[in-house]
Amino acid sequence: SQTIHQWPATLVQPVGSPLSLECTVEGTSNPNLYWYRQAAGRGLQLLFYSVGIGQISSEVPQNLSASRPQDRQFILSSKKLLLSDSGFYLCACFRGHQTGELFFGEGSRLTVL
Amino acid sequence: SQQGEEDPQALSIQEGENATMNCSYKTSINNLQWYRQNSGRGLVHLILIRSNEREKHSGRLRVTLDTSKKSSSLLITASRAADTASYFCATSDYKLSFGAGTTVTVRA
Repeated sequence: SQTIHQWPATLVQPVGSPLSLECTVEGTSNPNLYWYRQAAGRGLQLLFYSVGIGQISSEVPQNLSASRPQDRQFILSSKKLLLSDSGFYLCACFRGHQTGELFFGEGSRLTVL
Repeated sequence: SQQGEEDPQALSIQEGENATMNCSYKTSINNLQWYRQNSGRGLVHLILIRSNEREKHSGRLRVTLDTSKKSSSLLITASRAADTASYFCATSDYKLSFGAGTTVTVRA
């Protein structure tokens, strides 16, 4: 079965500092991977998705970037954080291409002060 | 991409009662999915209904889909305190688009 590890689980960073959130997937190969952001009390906003190593699609122009250096590793980064980058970041992968069902990690909560 | 929109935004019920929430979407879909999110946790997939299905059951969950009205409903029967969570619908093309969710509080 699939497992998604996200770290760190919680992060408090000052404005202007860099960011790196990591997501690794176990139990599957060549997964489609996704980064979502959830603002407090809001729905999920798709930020990036990747269908393979080095392949990144951005959904929303913003202060963030993503990379996929390995098949089961997905990294979300920023060079300089903004207050508006605060939120709950969720990594997800497809359970199976036929259904489109997503399997989520436990999330990383980022607070920018 | 399209996005599901849940209604109501929040729902408070007594334990043992049923909870119903609705989802509307804008364009044709392959399938529609419902997810649950406990506070501060990731989302968990509950049920998927395909565009050619009208109703589907899973335990205490019942999902309906009306493609002519572009809407779906999720019914939780005999609610329990553990059902307290936010519920999201998501519509599927090459990626899932989520609404803002319905927050359900089940009072003991």
